[in-house]
Amino acid sequence: GQQLNQSPQSMFIQEGEDVSMNCTSSSIFNTWLWYKQDPGEGPVLLIALYKAGELTSNGRLTAQFGITRKDSFLNISASIPSDVGIYFCAGQLLGNTNAGKSTFGDGTTLTVKP
Amino acid sequence: DTEVTQTPKHLVMGMTNKKSLKCEQHMGHRAMYWYKQKAKKPPELMFVYSYEKLSINESVPSRFSPECPNSSLLNLHLHALQPEDSALYLCASSQPGSANGQFFGPGTRLTVL
Repeated sequence: GQQLNQSPQSMFIQEGEDVSMNCTSSSIFNTWLWYKQDPGEGPVLLIALYKAGELTSNGRLTAQFGITRKDSFLNISASIPSDVGIYFCAGQLLGNTNAGKSTFGDGTTLTVKP
Repeated sequence: DTEVTQTPKHLVMGMTNKKSLKCEQHMGHRAMYWYKQKAKKPPELMFVYSYEKLSINESVPSRFSPECPNSSLLNLHLHALQPEDSALYLCASSQPGSANGQFFGPGTRLTVL
């Protein structure tokens, strides 16, 4: 089946620093999604990407859909303590048999030191 | 209403108990999902319902039995679980075939003794 490699596995940064994480896949996706999960909560969608090469921003977050459709990255600028959490990438292949089925990366755990 | 609600928030059960997890959404989504998530791991898909019909079962053991009584509700019936089934169980919803990702509930933290 499809596998996503997400890196880094964890990051410890100082407040105010920029963060970058990425996902690579052995196969192509139609859509890339980035979620954040806080402790005790379900994942929350941050950014969705639909076209190869697309660059999308959401406040301090910027994500790109790789040209090959096999990778994506997420950048967070000027990190703040509430950015702490686990960030998951997810790829989707749409079709009758998939019903929006997503393949998740293993997550990047972000710790921000004040 | 852009929320997916799940009850209970926490559940402790013995291996011989029968219990049910409930999920509800009022966003008009016609696809609903059950995921299992272990600590520090990504969500693992268990079941997908599309238009109230089971469309995906990811080879889940029969001690987990999903049910979708209507377009807003999703249940997961539990029977004769094992301690290794202890996990966070997440419900999610979306429009079928949507590329816009899924809305997740806060989950039910299940402990099997």
